[in-house]
Amino acid sequence: AQSVTQLDSQVPVFEEAPVELRCNYSSSVSVYLFWYVQYPNQGLQLLLKYLSGSTLVKGINGFEAEFNKSQTSFHLRKPSVHISDTAEYFCAVTLLNRDDKIIFGKGTRLHILP
Amino acid sequence: DTGVSQNPRHKITKRGQNVTFRCDPISEHNRLYWYRQTLGQGPEFLTYFQNEAQLEKSRLLSDRFSAERPKGSFSTLEIQRTEQGDSAMYLCASSLAGGEAFFGQGTRLTVV
Repeated sequence: AQSVTQLDSQVPVFEEAPVELRCNYSSSVSVYLFWYVQYPNQGLQLLLKYLSGSTLVKGINGFEAEFNKSQTSFHLRKPSVHISDTAEYFCAVTLLNRDDKIIFGKGTRLHILP
Repeated sequence: DTGVSQNPRHKITKRGQNVTFRCDPISEHNRLYWYRQTLGQGPEFLTYFQNEAQLEKSRLLSDRFSAERPKGSFSTLEIQRTEQGDSAMYLCASSLAGGEAFFGQGTRLTVV
């Protein structure tokens, strides 16, 4: 079965600084990968997804992620964060071409420091 | 289509009572998921459907929980004999098979 690990439960970063949120997955077969964002008191919304093709995927709000099959990682990055990026970020995985569920990591809370 | 709709948004119930939540997915989506989320945690998988067939139910889910998706459209999640530990946000999502999940706003359950 697939699983997702987000090693950092919280990441503090100064405004306008770059940030990387780490995500590692485990699976014996190929996967689809997603990053979701949850702003305070709001529902989850898709930030970006990797299904196939280019390993560097761009999402909304200036975020991007790189799929690294050899390291089984899908880290999320933004070159310059804003106070509005304060939120919980969740990495998720599902198996390619299988009738399988989407599994989420425990999340990383991004704190933007003024 | 306005997205995934969940009702009610909030539910307060006494311990021991039964509750039922409803989810209306995006109309063309054949897959429907239920998750539970507690404070500071990621969505925990409960169960999911492909059309009207329930494909998997989490082993963490007790027999007090049951879900249905008659006719492959809306879904209901019922919790019988609620316990305080059931207090959480219950999230519904829908997708096309292999695609990203679109989430509703959730139903917040408080068991007192």
